[in-house]
Formats: sequence, structure tokens, C-alpha cells
Amino acid sequence: GAGVSQSPSNKVTEKGKDVELRCDPISGHTALYWYRQSLGQGLEFLIYFQGNSAPDKSGLPSDRFSAERTGGSVSTLTIQRTQQEDSAVYLCASSTRGALNSPLHFGNGTRLTVT
Amino acid sequence: AQSVSQHNHHVILSEAASLELGCNYSYGGTVNLFWYVQYPGQHLQLLLKYFSGDPLVKGIKGFEAEFIKSKFSFNLRKPSVQWSDTAEYFCAVNEGTNAGKSTFGDGTTLTVKP
Repeated sequence: GAGVSQSPSNKVTEKGKDVELRCDPISGHTALYWYRQSLGQGLEFLIYFQGNSAPDKSGLPSDRFSAERTGGSVSTLTIQRTQQEDSAVYLCASSTRGALNSPLHFGNGTRLTVT
Repeated sequence: AQSVSQHNHHVILSEAASLELGCNYSYGGTVNLFWYVQYPGQHLQLLLKYFSGDPLVKGIKGFEAEFIKSKFSFNLRKPSVQWSDTAEYFCAVNEGTNAGKSTFGDGTTLTVKP
């Protein structure tokens, strides 16, 4: 079946520009996550959506970062006024229930390069 | 806050060698534990998981991991690695107060020489 789909796969942008990254989770998965992976580092949690509950935004690094999830499905991560330190691979994942024992299903990621 | 430590950043082995990758976490309560693998050019995928019961769990491709609660550890093992096991391996922990929000280690890159 279809997995988690992310677009674009690569994005190069100039410092100061805004970018939008899109994630289409696996159909039926109620939980959706955004993580960031910088070069040589692990996955850094950004934000978590579970059903109709208020999202857990505790991992967003600054107010330049925001995310929304429309209709309980597709999610968009927006980075405003991008900085060079925002360069990373942005990973989206979904899971069936977002419960303690639900493994994550990852997309291929969006590689963001800020020049 | 929960933290996950993977002791080895880069491991290089020859084919047929045995593998053990260390993972330690900090949370003392109920945890669910995962190992994920990312093969070159592919997305992260689940290798194995521990929820409860037998602390020795088996995953795909001959991998296994042992949960040792007293040591806060969940080490990944394979008796005999293959060239195709070359990948990056991530340990992850879900803990009771943050249901569903996985904390990941920094990853271990495994290179298997043919």
C-alpha cells in the first residue's frame, strides 16, 4: 500500500525566504509527526498531531516554525524567514493511534538547503 | 526529559562478524522500545520493537534485541552480519508521559565490508 509521502524531496532556498513542506500520511493513521535530522545527528522531534487534539508543539525550535494538519490528513510544515541553521532533512511520520506502542512509519523526507 | 544514548557513532565490520549496538535510555517508568534502520537511499523503517513480555525480541533479517530494565538498555544484536546490513541504525524510546512521541538516539552507522 501507499506509504507516507513527502514533497518536495529537495528544496533549496535563499536565506530569509519562507518554505512549505508537505506530508501526506498513510490513510487511516490518526497520528502525524514532524522530525528534523541535521547532518550527523539524530532525529529531533518538532511537532505531533493526534486526531482532533491540540498538537504538541513542544519541539518547534522558534516561532518561525509552524505546522498545520487539515482534515486530519495532510500536514504542512512552514518555516518563515529561513536561516542557514534550518538546513536539514525534515522527516514526516505517521502511526495508527499515536499510542505508546505504535511504531512510526516514515516518509523519505525533504532535504532543505538554505543558502 | 527523556534521553537516548547510542554508544557507537560508526561501526565497521567484516562479513560474518557478530554485531552489538548499544542503546541506553534515561526514563525509569514504562517504556516501549524500538530499533529503526535506514538503508542507503531508503526511508527509515522499523527493525524490531519491545512492548512487554519476553525481553528478548526478534526482528527482521535475523536481528534481535534484549531489554534489560535494570540497566536501562536495549542493545541490538546480530550473530553474523552481511554486506546488505550496511545502514544507519536508530534506537527510539516511547515513554509513558509522552505517549506516541518517540525520542531517538543519534544513530549508529554500520559499514559491513564484503
